[in-house]
Amino acid sequence: DAGVIQSPRHEVTEMGQEVTLRCKPISGHNSLFWYRQTMMRGLELLIYFNNNVPIDDSGMPEDRFSAKMPNASFSTLKIQPSEPRDSAVYFCASAHRDWVGEQYFGPGTRLTVT
Amino acid sequence: RKEVEQDPGPFNVPEGATVAFNCTYSNSASQSFFWYRQDCRKEPKLLMSVYSSGNEDGRFTAQLNRASQYISLLIRDSKLSDSATYLCVCTGGGNKLTFGTGTQLKVEL
Repeated sequence: DAGVIQSPRHEVTEMGQEVTLRCKPISGHNSLFWYRQTMMRGLELLIYFNNNVPIDDSGMPEDRFSAKMPNASFSTLKIQPSEPRDSAVYFCASAHRDWVGEQYFGPGTRLTVT
Repeated sequence: RKEVEQDPGPFNVPEGATVAFNCTYSNSASQSFFWYRQDCRKEPKLLMSVYSSGNEDGRFTAQLNRASQYISLLIRDSKLSDSATYLCVCTGGGNKLTFGTGTQLKVEL
């Protein structure tokens, strides 16, 4: 299996621009998670989906952030407009719903907003 | 107070040493616990689950103390390749995992 795939791996953008991060979970996994990691705050859960349905988005910082999962093999996290404080590494992870402790992370997208 | 607290370290130990990390959690309703490992500029990976009775996987031993709400990880005969950040993880509500900020381990020759 290819594992969780994320794109792009690196993104540098200017403040105010729209950023879209993409994720392809492991085939057969029915839970998908978006995290953000910074030095100051560590790894924070932004949102998670079960069977393509958003279950908990309480970690989404504000309305500038949105996430979708149109089918079992694809999810996006969008930031519009982006701000310098959004600079972080964004990870997508997937798991089988019955074993959510065993999450498989993608390589992450390193976002820099200037 | 953070839900999961860890000493950030770094713990600098010589190769072959035994090292232990502790982690405390505040949510008494947490049911499941894990240790993840994260190498520099890489993604986190599951190291091991933590069971109430304690569990061992080779050189790694994990313990859970529900009464005191802490979790420990013991690494025996440490290797250079053990150098990484170790993340303590608890389940929150639903399918959510709450990660600690990690303890950095550096194993030196």
